[in-house]
Amino acid sequence: AQSVTQLGSHVSVSEGALVLLRCNYSSSVPPYLFWYVQYPNQGLQLLLKYTSAATLVKGINGFEAEFKKSETSFHLTKPSAHMSDAAEYFCAVSDTGGFKTIFGAGTRLFVKA
Amino acid sequence: EPEVTQTPSHQVTQMGQEVILRCVPISNHLYFYWYRQILGQKVEFLVSFYNNEISEKSEIFDDQFSVERPDGSNFTLKIRSTKLEDSAMYFCAGTGEGGSPLHFGNGTRLTVT
Repeated sequence: AQSVTQLGSHVSVSEGALVLLRCNYSSSVPPYLFWYVQYPNQGLQLLLKYTSAATLVKGINGFEAEFKKSETSFHLTKPSAHMSDAAEYFCAVSDTGGFKTIFGAGTRLFVKA
Repeated sequence: EPEVTQTPSHQVTQMGQEVILRCVPISNHLYFYWYRQILGQKVEFLVSFYNNEISEKSEIFDDQFSVERPDGSNFTLKIRSTKLEDSAMYFCAGTGEGGSPLHFGNGTRLTVT
């Protein structure tokens, strides 16, 4: 069975500081991994995806994530936080069949001026 | 860019009543999903639908729930007899290929009183 664990329900950073949101996954088969962002009163939007082509994945808005199989991790980073990055971030894992994508509990990112 | 459209945006109903939540997926998508997000909590998988039948469902998706794609465009979630604990945001999502990122609608906020 697949599962996703996001460490830290809330993360607070100063504007311009490094953003690091942690995600660990469990999967019995090579997974597809994703990060989604949710702004208030909206659906989830894809930030980036890992599908085994490259371990370092670049996404939109300056975010990137690195797949580390040995650590079963897929942490999301951004070198310099912007106020507009304040949102809820969800890590997700999907099986290759695509019938089920499981989401982590989410991490709310606060950005201080 | 094509969008997933959900209606209504907000539905208020009394306990015990039936509700139908509607979604118009992106036209070339083949896999369809419903997710639920109780206020402040994680995004929970309810059901996936492919080739006009349920592919997988969670333990949440009990006999009170059903899904249909009646006319090849709309995708509906029916809750037969709503309970207070069904109050949540319900998201429809779709994708064209198994394991690909999901495209989400903006959700229907269901309030059961």
